[in-house]
Amino acid sequence: QSVLTQPPSVSGAPGQRVTISCTGSSSNIGAAYDVHWYQQLPGTAPKLLIYGNSNRPSGVPDRFSGSKSGTSASLAITGLQAEDEADYYCQSYDSSLSGSVVFGGGTKLTVL
Amino acid sequence: EVQLVESGGGLVKPGGSLRLSCAASGFTFSYYSINWVRQAPGKGLEWVSSISSSSSYIYYADSVKGRFTISRDNAKNSLYLQMNSLRAEDTAVYYCARSSGRYCSGGSCRASNWFDPWGQGTLVTVSS
Repeated sequence: QSVLTQPPSVSGAPGQRVTISCTGSSSNIGAAYDVHWYQQLPGTAPKLLIYGNSNRPSGVPDRFSGSKSGTSASLAITGLQAEDEADYYCQSYDSSLSGSVVFGGGTKLTVL
Repeated sequence: EVQLVESGGGLVKPGGSLRLSCAASGFTFSYYSINWVRQAPGKGLEWVSSISSSSSYIYYADSVKGRFTISRDNAKNSLYLQMNSLRAEDTAVYYCARSSGRYCSGGSCRASNWFDPWGQGTLVTVSS
């Protein structure tokens, strides 16, 4: 069971908007630690998608956006495309744990 | 090009040992903390261990503490993970990933810790 909770799956049709939530607690997201997001395409290594809650690395389309509020964070994908079908993970820091890096359980995005 | 390449994975019996390596290129390795993250088959990501740029700070997940040892050789641009007393539940793809620690947004700068880039991973299978 992950410290950060994500829905196991979400889906949407091409062109639609989907959101993926990442729910934490007062020892991680709620303690003002940043949330970062990764995309993992099938059979590949994870790739950084969003850092510092809402910042996109160069090369990441502006269809991807992140936000954070209270003990939760969200990843939004607009104008859904077939190539967005992947697993998405949130990551943060937890002050109550040894080493402190925590990941969400991951969300499988299916493009219908 | 910034790159991390893992090696050393394979099949090992329960109770056995294995040493993973991660070769870095395209950036000043000695400036960055580096991490190991693993992914069991069909499962999510699990952070395993981190080591600071000069090896002064080392952290482990509780699941591997006392069995795994992280180390680095900055002269060789390399990261290592010595894995002892391996268990079936250690079966996973092991990734090395660079920590990137500071960003500026909205007129202010702050420290943070995200992972970029990641290597392609190396598979460790623990089975009799």
